[in-house]
Amino acid sequence: GEDVEQSLFLSVREGDSSVINCTYTDSSSTYLYWYKQEPGAGLQLLTYIFSNMDMKQDQRLTVLLNKKDKHLSLRIADTQTGDSAIYFCAESTGGATNKLIFGTGTLLAVQP
Amino acid sequence: DGGITQSPKYLFRKEGQNVTLSCEQNLNHDAMYWYRQDPGQGLRLIYYSQIVNDFQKGDIAEGYSVSREKKESFPLTVTSAQKNPTAFYLCASSSTFRGLGYEQYFGPGTRLTVT
Repeated sequence: GEDVEQSLFLSVREGDSSVINCTYTDSSSTYLYWYKQEPGAGLQLLTYIFSNMDMKQDQRLTVLLNKKDKHLSLRIADTQTGDSAIYFCAESTGGATNKLIFGTGTLLAVQP
Repeated sequence: DGGITQSPKYLFRKEGQNVTLSCEQNLNHDAMYWYRQDPGQGLRLIYYSQIVNDFQKGDIAEGYSVSREKKESFPLTVTSAQKNPTAFYLCASSSTFRGLGYEQYFGPGTRLTVT
């Protein structure tokens, strides 16, 4: 079945780069997303990538996709304390149903 | 100022009572979704609706009901049949047109506590 896995926790120092990893199983996934959730809040869409792309860069965020290994990563450059949050990756086949399958989330702790 | 609103932010109920969570969007999206989030877990899909007057069960629909009488609104009722209703509930919406993108945008959530 469909499954999305993430490591539970990542700790970095302010100013360093953070890399959050995600693996998925559904080879028909067309869209892959990264969401950020701050404590007690909803999910904020950070970025997404189409399955026919290898990389997408958006300011401090870089998404890398290895479709062969079904591996997705999110790199945050110059990590700030405000980046501390839970990060979820999610996959979807898009289209009419557009069901999102979420990973369990990675808690990013940024140490000052 | 477009977005998704959920109310209330916190909700407390006694066991055995039904409770309805509100979700409204002014993004002109056709599709709307309800997710449940438990501590340390990802989001799980409860119900979704692609168009007015139509909705489908998600992965954990038992004990929940929805309606979609208006494009802007997708209320979720947590019934007394739901065994473990205490959770954080998130509503989302998206376009259903490829040209506009399929990204789902989320509301701020409602934390329901049932005692």
